[in-house]
Amino acid sequence: QLQLQESGPGLVKPSETLSLTCTVSGGSISSSSYYWGWIRQPPGKGLEWIGSIYYSGSTYYNPSLKSRVTISVDTSKNQFSLKLSSVTAADTAVYYCWRGGYSINGMLYYYYGMDVWGQGTTVTVSS
Amino acid sequence: EIVMTQSPATLSVSPGERATLSCRASQSVSSNLAWYQQKPGQAPRLLIYGASTRATGIPARFSGSGSGTEFTLTISSLQSEDFAVYYCQQYNNWPQMYTFGQGTKLEIK
Repeated sequence: QLQLQESGPGLVKPSETLSLTCTVSGGSISSSSYYWGWIRQPPGKGLEWIGSIYYSGSTYYNPSLKSRVTISVDTSKNQFSLKLSSVTAADTAVYYCWRGGYSINGMLYYYYGMDVWGQGTTVTVSS
Repeated sequence: EIVMTQSPATLSVSPGERATLSCRASQSVSSNLAWYQQKPGQAPRLLIYGASTRATGIPARFSGSGSGTEFTLTISSLQSEDFAVYYCQQYNNWPQMYTFGQGTKLEIK
C-alpha cells in the first residue's frame, strides 16, 4: 500500500526558505501514471494547491506562489521536495503531499483525483 | 482563474437523513470535478472524481452529480462518521491548475 510521509522543520523564520520532503513508500515515484504535489491549509482555513511534479521533472505551480516555489524530484530516493522562499506569517499552514493518478486512452487523458495523501506537517513561520 | 463556490457554508443534518452539498464553478469545468472529505486533524480523503465516479472504497451512500458549472454531492443516509468538512475541487486544466471550494461543514443536527 502506497504511503506518503512529509518531513522538514516545523518552524521557519520570516524571509527564510521553507523546505519539505515527501517520501514515497510502497510504490515507485517513477510510475508513468501519476503526478505528485503539494497542498497547504492555513489554520482554520481551506485547501490551496501549491504545485505538481511528474517523475520526469516537469513542474506546474500555482500562479499566486510561482515566484517563490520550487518543487523537485529525486527518483533515486523515491522523494519529492518543496521549497518556498521569502516566507511570511501568511505561509503558516499544514502542508500535505499527495499523489494524483491518470490514464491515457488514445488522445484522451483521464484524471482520477488526488487519491493518496500524506498525514500533513505543520509549518509555523515566526521569529 | 476558475473560482469554486460551495454552499451552504454549514449544513446541519440528523443521522440517517440525506445531505445535499452544492458546488458552483465560475466557468465550465466539464466533468473535471472531485469531492474530498476532511475530518479534524486528518488529511483530505478523495470521495468522487469525474463529478460522479466514486473513488476506491467509498461507500455507495456517497454520490456525485452535475457537469459544467453546477455540481452536487449527496450522502443518502448520514452515518456518524460522515460529519466532516467537504471540499469540491476543479481540475479542468490539470496538471497545470487546481482550485478548491471553501468547504462545507456538515454537522450533526
